[in-house]
Amino acid sequence: AQKITQTQPGMFVQEKEAVTLDCTYDTSDPSYGLFWYKQPSSGEMIFLIYQGSYDQQNATEGRYSLNFQKARKSANLVISASQLGDSAMYFCAMRSAGGTSYGKLTFGQGTILTVHP
Amino acid sequence: NAGVTQTPKFQVLKTGQSMTLQCAQDMNHEYMSWYRQDPGMGLRLIHYSVGAGITDQGEVPNGYNVSRSTTEDFPLRLLSAAPSQTSVYFCASSYSSGTANSPLHFGNGTRLTVT
Repeated sequence: AQKITQTQPGMFVQEKEAVTLDCTYDTSDPSYGLFWYKQPSSGEMIFLIYQGSYDQQNATEGRYSLNFQKARKSANLVISASQLGDSAMYFCAMRSAGGTSYGKLTFGQGTILTVHP
Repeated sequence: NAGVTQTPKFQVLKTGQSMTLQCAQDMNHEYMSWYRQDPGMGLRLIHYSVGAGITDQGEVPNGYNVSRSTTEDFPLRLLSAAPSQTSVYFCASSYSSGTANSPLHFGNGTRLTVT
């Protein structure tokens, strides 16, 4: 079975500073993808970044980067130069290509990020 | 560029009533799914479909039915609403169900309250 763990219920960061949101995962599938989503207070789910299990380099998308450590089964999201608009709930999620988790996206519990001015 | 469209945005039901949450996508996505989001429990998969005519159960399927008669539409039916079904419901789709690298694209959600 797949499992995603986000151990930080809430995080605070000062505007313009960097912040790391933790995510660890567990799966027996050899091929999987790791995703981060942002959910602002308006409620929509916004896809941020993707990392494949076979990717050699860490994924980056603008101010977002994913610190992927496969041996530790961690996929932490790093947000650089935080902005007030980054205040939201952030979800880590995993998807496998096969097995009993076929197609399903497994989510963590989420981390609420608050950016202070 | 509509993406994934869910209706309604809000709904209040009485216990025992039935209703259908609508979901449509215009991206020709093969894979569609329904999630519910509850405080402290993250998002949980209700049902999913890997193509027209094919559906399967997720983690929490009881009390819900789905069908997939077209590629575009994937309605979720509540057969007899219960207070435990009070939640926010998300429809999500992706291009492929056979690979792990397709992100899910989400609708804006339906907030359902059952009294």
